[in-house]
Amino acid sequence: NAGVTQTPKFQVLKTGQSMTLQCAQDMNHEYMSWYRQDPGMGLRLIHYSVGAGITDQGEVPNGYNVSRSTTEDFPLRLLSAAPSQTSVYFCASSYPDRNSPLHFGNGTRLTVT
Amino acid sequence: LAKTTQPISMDSYEGQEVNITCSHNNIATNDYITWYQQFPSQGPRFIIQGYKTKVTNEVASLFIPADRKSSTLSLPRVSLSDTAVYYCLVGDRRGGSQGNLIFGKGTKLSVKP
Repeated sequence: NAGVTQTPKFQVLKTGQSMTLQCAQDMNHEYMSWYRQDPGMGLRLIHYSVGAGITDQGEVPNGYNVSRSTTEDFPLRLLSAAPSQTSVYFCASSYPDRNSPLHFGNGTRLTVT
Repeated sequence: LAKTTQPISMDSYEGQEVNITCSHNNIATNDYITWYQQFPSQGPRFIIQGYKTKVTNEVASLFIPADRKSSTLSLPRVSLSDTAVYYCLVGDRRGGSQGNLIFGKGTKLSVKP
């Protein structure tokens, strides 16, 4: 059981480049979300989805796009990378009930120069 | 949104019991209290969750007083491998939404030999 898989593990971008961070889960979880983690800031919610075709903004959505065409996948797109987006990005998933814990991937470390 | 306050850091020695207290003065009636653990270069991992009184599992215990304005995560007989950041979250996940779950900065626990 792979759980939540994030790719790539590391990425270096130049300012203005675009890329997609991939997130896939094999637990048939309806809920998926993206967080970014910066030193001393904890985890901040970027976007989340409660099911295929449904997405919503979190605490820090600017500069990021998401879509949810399948239950399994929830990609995060950076259309024009900026140095302020240098961070570690985590994807999480869970069942849609109040007692279900979040399952996290191991993160993507992104550096924008 | 219910916010939480926890100590930034704590030190302990192997074999000791560690108690990390989280303050959540504006917790709402439907909010649950959840704790996660995060090791370096990994995503957070669910430890324990509760609504009131005491919850215990194979990893930890969670103590919640009657007013629910605080909670205490108790780790019995810690080892070096318990060195991690611990996050306290408060929120209501009705309908699966986790837009109202806020990860704070967490408590960095350092266990020494």
